[in-house]
Formats: sequence, C-alpha cells, structure tokens
Amino acid sequence: GIQVEQSPPDLILQEGANSTLRCNFSDSVNNLQWFHQNPWGQLINLFYIPSGTKQNGRLSATTVATERYSLLYISSSQTTDSGVYFCAVGLNNAGNMLTFGGGTRLMVKP
Amino acid sequence: NAGVMQNPRHLVRRRGQEARLRCSPMKGHSHVYWYRQLPEEGLKFMVYLQKENIIDESGMPKERFSAEFPKEGPSILRIQQVVRGDSAAYFCASSRGTEAFFGQGTRLTVV
Repeated sequence: GIQVEQSPPDLILQEGANSTLRCNFSDSVNNLQWFHQNPWGQLINLFYIPSGTKQNGRLSATTVATERYSLLYISSSQTTDSGVYFCAVGLNNAGNMLTFGGGTRLMVKP
Repeated sequence: NAGVMQNPRHLVRRRGQEARLRCSPMKGHSHVYWYRQLPEEGLKFMVYLQKENIIDESGMPKERFSAEFPKEGPSILRIQQVVRGDSAAYFCASSRGTEAFFGQGTRLTVV
C-alpha cells in the first residue's frame, strides 16, 4: 500500500512564527487532504489539494504530485493552531480510502 | 447543511459487551468510511460502504467487527465481545467520491 511520511513529527513555535510541514508519499495519488486535529480530537478539513497551490487565510498548501510531496505553510501562528496536522492520500478510482501519515504535533506557545 | 454526525460521542463498555457506533453522512454523500485511531497514532482505514453494500473491508478485523449502511438510516459499526484493545477513537467520514469530511468521532473505552 501507499506509504505516507510527515515531518517534522513534533514542532514547538512561538506565537507569530511561521512554519512548513511536509508530507511525502510513495506512489501516485489523485486525492490529498490536510487535516487539523484539535486538542478536543475533532478533525477539521484544511485543504483538498491533489495538485497545485491553495491559500486560506494564514494557511496555504502546495502539492507537487509528480515529485510525490505536499507542503503546508502556517504563517503568523496562533495558540489556536496547536494540535496535530495530518496529511492523507487516496486514489479516487480505488474507492478513495485515505491513508494517513503519522502527523505533525504542533504546539504554539504564547 | 449538517456535517457528518456520529453518536454516541463517548461509549464505555465492559469486556465482552457489544458496542454499536452510528454515523449519518452529510446530505448528498453516498460514500461512508470508518477509521480507527489508537492513542498517539494516525487514523487507519477500516471499511468503505455505499448504500446496502460493503465495497472494501480490507482494514477491518475479520472477527467481532461488522459494518452496515442500510437503505434507510445511519451506518452502523458493530463490535461484538469487546476487549481492552478495542479502546480507541472511531471516526466516520463521508464523501461524494472525492473530498472526505469527518465526524467528531466516538471514543470507545473498554473497562
């Protein structure tokens, strides 16, 4: 099956700092999603981004499908950004079951 | 448009009891997926269903676990004779075939 690796596994930031999270995957995919799991365990959709670049406020993401990686950028981090960020990939023509990476655990300190 | 609804949010079962987890997909979504998250780990795919059909159950344990998505009503994940190792968060997701949206999960604790 597809392997998904995220880095770094843990990240501590001071409020206001910027960060880049990386997701590498082992095979061609046509679905890639980024999620934020907040401290209450809720999974929040950030981006559906099988290719290209998208921006939503302080967050943006880029997926380079041909090189099998995706990046999530967080700018001007806030304490509410704390939690775990997951990258998940899938194949739409195979039922679109998602394979999740191990996550990046982010803590933003005030 | 309500999101994916799961209930109960928390469920405590004694070893040997049955656990039933329910999931109502988003309106217009015909694809339902169940995932399990063990403590400090990512989510692992269990089963993929469409109305009245199991499409892929390759991630579901062969024994004690079953899932259904009837013509009417929510999808049900059923765990029989629960053991302590079944303690986890169980998430349901729905989609139209592309972007998946997740419910808030059911946290199962087996005591």
